[in-house]
Amino acid sequence: QLQLQESGPGLVKPSETLSLTCTVSGDSVSGSSYYWGWIRQPPGQGLEWIGGIHYTGTVTYNPSLKSRVAISVDTSKNQFSLRLNSVTAADTAVYYCARSIDSWFRFHYWGQGTLVTVSS
Amino acid sequence: QSVLTQPPSASGTPGQRVTISCSGSSSNIGSNTVNWYQQLPGTAPKLLIYRNNQRPSGVPDRFSGSKSGTSASLAISGLQSEDEADYYCAAWDDSLNGVFGGGTKLTVL
Repeated sequence: QLQLQESGPGLVKPSETLSLTCTVSGDSVSGSSYYWGWIRQPPGQGLEWIGGIHYTGTVTYNPSLKSRVAISVDTSKNQFSLRLNSVTAADTAVYYCARSIDSWFRFHYWGQGTLVTVSS
Repeated sequence: QSVLTQPPSASGTPGQRVTISCSGSSSNIGSNTVNWYQQLPGTAPKLLIYRNNQRPSGVPDRFSGSKSGTSASLAISGLQSEDEADYYCAAWDDSLNGVFGGGTKLTVL
């Protein structure tokens, strides 16, 4: 059974970098048909796609966040990661990692999500 | 302001049929498939419909999806109390961006 688990600091100071890792268990991040994504949801608001990565290293990002985002994959640890720099209060959200098959944007499996608060 | 437009709320009584609309444009719904997600309170979203009208294993056939032009719809028949949740449509946009609707809060009266 595939499981995804987000981990990282729950509190980040303004202007600093948010870093999260998604640990995948029950399957390999190196599946050729798999695309791994990050999605976030500000408190009480809707979903926003951040970006995604294929195990080959190919990435795609939301144009509105592209200048601040980096997603990477570590096949040896079966993990993929998100870095978002220069954060502000507007980046406060629940961050989800998820897996898509044969598409950048069709998420069959999701992590439980982790709340990241940006505050001094 | 979301790229895909959904009504903020919908409601129905148990047993009723409810539809939720999702309006987009030629660069997203008009040229790519639509997915629908259900988000129960305090939980991660769950894929409900993919490729416009396909149900993942385990999703009851009370849930159905359709697409026409630049719009899509989610229909829920035989409404049940456990269907009370937020529903999001989603589609890939040709600007290389994944876009969601703003979400519809479904209340079972």
